[in-house]
Amino acid sequence: GAGVSQTPSNKVTEKGKYVELRCDPISGHTALYWYRQSLGQGPEFLIYFQGTGAADDSGLPNDRFFAVRPEGSVSTLKIQRTERGDSAVYLCASSLRAGSAYEQYFGPGTRLTVT
Amino acid sequence: ILNVEQSPQSLHVQEGDSTNFTCSFPSSNFYALHWYRWETAKSPEALFVMTLNGDEKKKGRISATLNTKEGYSYLYIKGSQPEDSATYLCASKDTGNQFYFGTGTSLTVIP
Repeated sequence: GAGVSQTPSNKVTEKGKYVELRCDPISGHTALYWYRQSLGQGPEFLIYFQGTGAADDSGLPNDRFFAVRPEGSVSTLKIQRTERGDSAVYLCASSLRAGSAYEQYFGPGTRLTVT
Repeated sequence: ILNVEQSPQSLHVQEGDSTNFTCSFPSSNFYALHWYRWETAKSPEALFVMTLNGDEKKKGRISATLNTKEGYSYLYIKGSQPEDSATYLCASKDTGNQFYFGTGTSLTVIP
C-alpha cells in the first residue's frame, strides 16, 4: 500500500516568507508526528497529533510554527516569517495508534532552505 | 528532554564483517526504544520496537538487545553487506508523548 508522502520534496524560500509543508499519512493511522532534522543532528520532535487534535505541541520552537490536521488525515505544517535557522529537513511520520509499541512510518521529508 | 546518545558516530567495515553499535538513554521512566534504518534518499524504516528489559529482537542478519536498567541497547549486524550501508537511528520514549532520537550511527560497508 501507499506509504507516507510529503510535499514538496524541496522548498527554497526567501527569509520572511510563509511556507506550508504537507504530509499525507498512511490511511487509517491515527497518530501523526512532525520532526525537524538539522545537519548533523537526529530528528527533533515538533508536534504530535492524535486524530484531529494536537496532543502535544511542546516541540514547536516558537509561535511562527503551527500545524493542523483538520480531518484527522492530511496534516500541514505552517511556518510564518521564515528565518535562515529554519532551514532543515522536515519529516512526518504516522503510526497506527499512539503509544510506544507502535512503529512510526516516515515520509521522505521536505528539505526547506531559507535564503 | 531525554539525552539519547549513539556511538560510534560513523563506522566503516569490510563486507562480511560483523559489527555492532550502541544507543544510550536515560533509564528512569523508560517506556520504549525504537531502532530505524535510514538509507540515503529514502525514508527512515523501522527495524525494531523494544519495550521490555532483556528484549532481544532479530530480523535476518540484524539483531538488537535492550537493557532498560542500565539504559542501553545494542544493534548487531552479522556478515555486513553493502546494502546495509545506512544511518541507524535509535529513539527513546519515556512516559510522555515524545520520541527522542540520537544523532545516528553512519555505517559504510566496503565491498
